[in-house]
Amino acid sequence: AQSVTQPDIHITVSEGASLELRCNYSYGATPYLFWYVQSPGQGLQLLLKYFSGDTLVQGIKGFEAEFKRSQSSFNLRKPSVHWSDAAEYFCAVGTFGNEKLTFGTGTRLTIIP
Amino acid sequence: GAVVSQHPSWVICKSGTSVKIECRSLDFQATTMFWYRQFPKQSLMLMATSNEGSKATYEQGVEKDKFLINHASLTLSTLTVTSAHPEDSSFYICSASSGQGSNEQFFGPGTRLTVL
Repeated sequence: AQSVTQPDIHITVSEGASLELRCNYSYGATPYLFWYVQSPGQGLQLLLKYFSGDTLVQGIKGFEAEFKRSQSSFNLRKPSVHWSDAAEYFCAVGTFGNEKLTFGTGTRLTIIP
Repeated sequence: GAVVSQHPSWVICKSGTSVKIECRSLDFQATTMFWYRQFPKQSLMLMATSNEGSKATYEQGVEKDKFLINHASLTLSTLTVTSAHPEDSSFYICSASSGQGSNEQFFGPGTRLTVL
């Protein structure tokens, strides 16, 4: 069965600093990978996704993520965070032919001035 | 595009009553819709998967008689929490997929249910 691990429960970053959120997955074949962001009391918004091709994917709001098959990772990065980036971030994995997604436990991002 | 709405956004009800939550795909046809439950500061727990015109598939441990799901059209799915109790209080989120093999789900804004 597929699984997703987000090792960091909570990360605090200064505004303007760079950010990397970790995501590791477990699945035998090539997965479909997603990063979603959730603001308090809101639904989830898709930041970016990887299905195939270029392993570095660009998303909205200046985010990017890199698929590394050898490390089973799909880490999310942003070169300079803004206070509005404070939210909960979820990594998710899916597989071809199965529409279900498996979500990680989430990483809460706090931005300090 | 790919907008999913939920109604209501929040609801408060008395214990023992039933509550219906609607999930609509506004600009695409959703062959599959998903219902999730999220406890405070936790991840999303998939409750069930529904396909238009067929019975929902419930995840293990989810009571199908308590959480009734109907997916009557390609743009509407409903979740009815029957005989609600305080332990049913939670944030319920739906998502929809167009079923084109991409696994991408589009999420609604969620419904906060509080049972008194």
